[in-house]
Amino acid sequence: SQQGEEDPQALSIQEGENATMNCSYKTSINNLQWYRQNSGRGLVHLILIRSNEREKHSGRLRVTLDTSKKSSSLLITASRAADTASYFCATDGTANQAGTALIFGKGTTLSVSS
Amino acid sequence: KAGVTQTPRYLIKTRGQQVTLSCSPISGHRSVSWYQQTPGQGLQFLFEYFSETQRNKGNFPGRFSGRQFSNSRSEMNVSTLELGDSALYLCASSPYTGQAVEQYFGPGTRLTVT
Repeated sequence: SQQGEEDPQALSIQEGENATMNCSYKTSINNLQWYRQNSGRGLVHLILIRSNEREKHSGRLRVTLDTSKKSSSLLITASRAADTASYFCATDGTANQAGTALIFGKGTTLSVSS
Repeated sequence: KAGVTQTPRYLIKTRGQQVTLSCSPISGHRSVSWYQQTPGQGLQFLFEYFSETQRNKGNFPGRFSGRQFSNSRSEMNVSTLELGDSALYLCASSPYTGQAVEQYFGPGTRLTVT
């Protein structure tokens, strides 16, 4: 079952523009992660935000988390063609889960044209 | 350090056959997780192994099994293949198990069942 649902499913922008992707989830979480996947290849970890954090930055990435709305957003500023990829949010299966078992959303496909 | 490696990268099998996929984690990583990615269901957690013990299992039939060796390398096996098993199978490793753990993904094995 999907825990996170990304919105929009697809996004097309020009280089230099900002891209915002949203993720909603269903159950309480302790943390949320964002991953990027280039064209059917392996995923790359981008950023992790904990439930007691509201905002986190990493280079051109900004992630926010609103636990009251059960949602998170990923903002990529000054997009480049190399940012073209699918972006997924992921949460742990349950708040008290032992071990690792990420639940991924369906992802947002970002296309950045030059 | 070398990244996560998966072999083979591509595989074509016939319905009813069985298949074994292999994953070598990053050196020093003791946790290995497996995910199935399909266009319809997205990314779904299969199972996680840590120190040769299965820690978590996703909602997949018993035809899907795995194991981990003392050197942390992992294999997953799918018996009696069905057409719906066609997917990209991704392996991920991390130094330890638990929540809020960044996963390092391999390039995946693309399995086609005919």
